[in-house]
Amino acid sequence: KAGVTQTPRYLIKTRGQQVTLSCSPISGHRSVSWYQQTPGQGLQFLFEYFSETQRNKGNFPGRFSGRQFSNSRSEMNVSTLELGDSALYLCASSYDTQNTEAFFGQGTRLTVV
Amino acid sequence: DQQVKQNSPSLSVQEGRISILNCDYTNSMFDYFLWYKKYPAEGPTFLISISSIKDKNEDGRFTVFLNKSAKHLSLHIVPSQPGDSAVYFCAAIPTSGTYKYIFGTGTRLKVLA
Repeated sequence: KAGVTQTPRYLIKTRGQQVTLSCSPISGHRSVSWYQQTPGQGLQFLFEYFSETQRNKGNFPGRFSGRQFSNSRSEMNVSTLELGDSALYLCASSYDTQNTEAFFGQGTRLTVV
Repeated sequence: DQQVKQNSPSLSVQEGRISILNCDYTNSMFDYFLWYKKYPAEGPTFLISISSIKDKNEDGRFTVFLNKSAKHLSLHIVPSQPGDSAVYFCAAIPTSGTYKYIFGTGTRLKVLA
């Protein structure tokens, strides 16, 4: 059974640009969550999607957005990139929103220069 | 405000001895706690969890203890092995609110051979 797949693995962008990251959950999983990991801040919750609907949202500015498709694949978008957006972005999938164990992908390392 | 805290950024333990990783939380409205392990360049992997109605859960070499009155949980690894060297994150799931997981900042465990 394939795990959670995130693409691309690495990305370098310039300030002011926008970026789209992709996440394919484990087959059969319908819930996808996104997290940002920065040094000293741990993993911070961005948002969760279930059945193409955003169910939960963390405390991030509106520049961060996401969506989920009918096949449960999810994308997150960051517009008007800032240097502070440089981080590891992790996607996690779980069977549904009540399932407490989530499986993480390897992440996308975004560097903003 | 960090609701889940791991106050020790790093810990070194001799192989075969016990590793104890600690986690404190400030919000009494968490009803589930988890530990994840993360190797460099990989996503976090689920290790063990505990419901707030329990005070102990054991899985092989890993035991999690929950002290609700002290708002403290700990992960014990016995015996520690070099392959356990990784960053360990504790996470909490609130009973309500907009957050899926609230993670601590992580503790880097190094098991010395």
